Amino acid sequence: AQTVTQSQPEMSVQEAETVTLSCTYDTSESDYYLFWYKQPPSRQMILVIRQEAYKQQNATENRFSVNFQKAAKSFSLKISDSQLGDAAMYFCAYRNSGGSNYKLTFGKGTLLTVNP
Amino acid sequence: ETGVTQTPRHLVMGMTNKKSLKCEQHLGHNAMYWYKQSAKKPLELMFVYSLEERVENNSVPSRFSPECPNSSHLFLHLHTLQPEDSALYLCASSQGFSSPYSPLHFGNGTRLTVT
Repeated sequence: AQTVTQSQPEMSVQEAETVTLSCTYDTSESDYYLFWYKQPPSRQMILVIRQEAYKQQNATENRFSVNFQKAAKSFSLKISDSQLGDAAMYFCAYRNSGGSNYKLTFGKGTLLTVNP
Repeated sequence: ETGVTQTPRHLVMGMTNKKSLKCEQHLGHNAMYWYKQSAKKPLELMFVYSLEERVENNSVPSRFSPECPNSSHLFLHLHTLQPEDSALYLCASSQGFSSPYSPLHFGNGTRLTVT
């Protein structure tokens, strides 16, 4: 079974600075998808960024980018120019491309605090 | 975003009560999910429906009973719950299993407290 590990329960960053959240996963599959979701106090999980495993180029969405290292099974999230609104729980998630691909497996999350 | 709406937002119930959680999606998706979110644990997938048919029942106790009358609505019927069932219950929808790259869209969740 696939597992997702987020080794940082909590992180903090100063406003306007850069922070990197770590995520590693375990899978025997070669084709899959990876996601970062954000959960603010409103509780709604919101997609931040996603990556297809067969694409070597790292995904970027405005201030959010990933460092995808397939061999190392690592998928870290970098937030540049951090803003107060970035404060939230961040979840890394994994999904197969075939088979039981309806399953989205989540890590335990990292609580990000942004200090003014 | 109000694409997925969950009601009620908060629910307190006794162990002998029967209640239901409701989820409605306005995104035209054909897959819907129930997740349980407990503190310091990964989200746990409970049930998955595709085109109103259940495709996953992830070893969930029978005191949780899902219902999907159509592709826009999903219910979770609760009865004789235990205190350890207290958690945030999240509903989500997606385009379907033929598009695994498509993200899940979540509601705001129902915070359930069992007393």
